[in-house]
Amino acid sequence: KQEVTQIPAALSVPEGENLVLNCSFTDSAIYNLQWFRQDPGKGLTSLLLIQSSQREQTSGRLNASLDKSSGRSTLYIAASQPGDSATYLCAVSDGGSQGNLIFGKGTKLSVKP
Amino acid sequence: GAGVSQTPSNKVTEKGKYVELRCDPISGHTALYWYRQSLGQGPEFLIYFQGTGAADDSGLPNDRFFAVRPEGSVSTLKIQRTERGDSAVYLCASSPGGGRSPYEQYFGPGTRLTVT
Repeated sequence: KQEVTQIPAALSVPEGENLVLNCSFTDSAIYNLQWFRQDPGKGLTSLLLIQSSQREQTSGRLNASLDKSSGRSTLYIAASQPGDSATYLCAVSDGGSQGNLIFGKGTKLSVKP
Repeated sequence: GAGVSQTPSNKVTEKGKYVELRCDPISGHTALYWYRQSLGQGPEFLIYFQGTGAADDSGLPNDRFFAVRPEGSVSTLKIQRTERGDSAVYLCASSPGGGRSPYEQYFGPGTRLTVT
């Protein structure tokens, strides 16, 4: 059974720092991996989608990498801002499934001004 | 364009009652997913529709939970004889194509269900 783990569970950094959020998954047979942002009491906002054949995706200050063979992904946030404060969730789409996502518990990020 | 919408945003019900939660996907999206998120956890898959049919309902916890999508657009999640353990945020997502497709899933704001 696929399991997704995110480390750390919580992270607090000063504004302007570059940071890395980690995601690992137990079964490397994934179809794609998606990073989401969730603000308190809100739904999920998709940040980046990486197909299994890709190594990384970039959007603005965000860069996500995927190493499928080792079961790892990282989300790099450059020059963090207080507005980046949120919970970041990693999810994988199992290649044998109907496309449903399997989520980690998230990393709660706080960027202090 | 409009995103995924869910109604109601909040629902408080008494133990044993029946509830319906509604999801309006993005127009034209054929795939629709329901997830449930408990406090401090990531969302957990409940059911997946491709068009009108439930292609995968393996995540439904028991037979008190049922979902429909009769015209391939709006979906309703139905919970009978609610229990306090059903309290959670119920999230809906849609996608231009499900299964092994290259598309992202787009999530609605969720319905927070509280069973007293």
